Amino acid sequence: DTAVSQTPKYLVTQMGNDKSIKCEQNLGHDTMYWYKQDSKKFLKIMFSYNNKELIINETVPNRFSPKSPDKAHLNLHINSLELGDSAVYFCASSPPGRIYEQYFGPGTRLTVT
Amino acid sequence: AQSVTQLDSHVSVSEGTPVLLRCNYSSSYSPSLFWYVQHPNKGLQLLLKYTSAATLVKGINGFEAEFKKSETSFHLTKPSAHMSDAAEYFCVVSRTGYSSASKIIFGSGTRLSIRP
Repeated sequence: DTAVSQTPKYLVTQMGNDKSIKCEQNLGHDTMYWYKQDSKKFLKIMFSYNNKELIINETVPNRFSPKSPDKAHLNLHINSLELGDSAVYFCASSPPGRIYEQYFGPGTRLTVT
Repeated sequence: AQSVTQLDSHVSVSEGTPVLLRCNYSSSYSPSLFWYVQHPNKGLQLLLKYTSAATLVKGINGFEAEFKKSETSFHLTKPSAHMSDAAEYFCVVSRTGYSSASKIIFGSGTRLSIRP
């Protein structure tokens, strides 16, 4: 009965590789998000998707690309990984009209070596 | 423009004593304010929210916060700390009635430690 799930939980990879993180929500929410949390716990929104449309895209390198096959999924694909990409990535979702009421996944800890 | 400042990066209290986590905000608009909690190795969970209704809001696990416009503050309190309250707490500001998630600003977090 997990609300927002992410896979994998841990991801260790080398610089230059391409990787994907998957996210699924079973809450029926119409908006999903990706956040990056750095080593100092600072949380920054990267993307949000509403009904399969990208509605915001903060100043994130174009190596990062969100992909939403349907309303319940928002995957994050990262090309040419760099050391600075090491962080915890959180997926979240929110119900219609309540963007502040976000439900977060457990996070994916990405380590780039 | 909006911003949020959590005045303490780390707060340590003894079990059974009151908790106070401080948050100040700045907003050109009518703000909505929230507190999220993040337990170790977990995602964030909404603790409570203020969206222009009652200024004293109650959340889960016995936490509450009071919106004070004159002081531009939204401090989080709990009368008696429990060991399970040890976590990172984030104060968040957004623009009331605005639908864009780009207007959601997270504070830098306050780590709450509980001493036995």
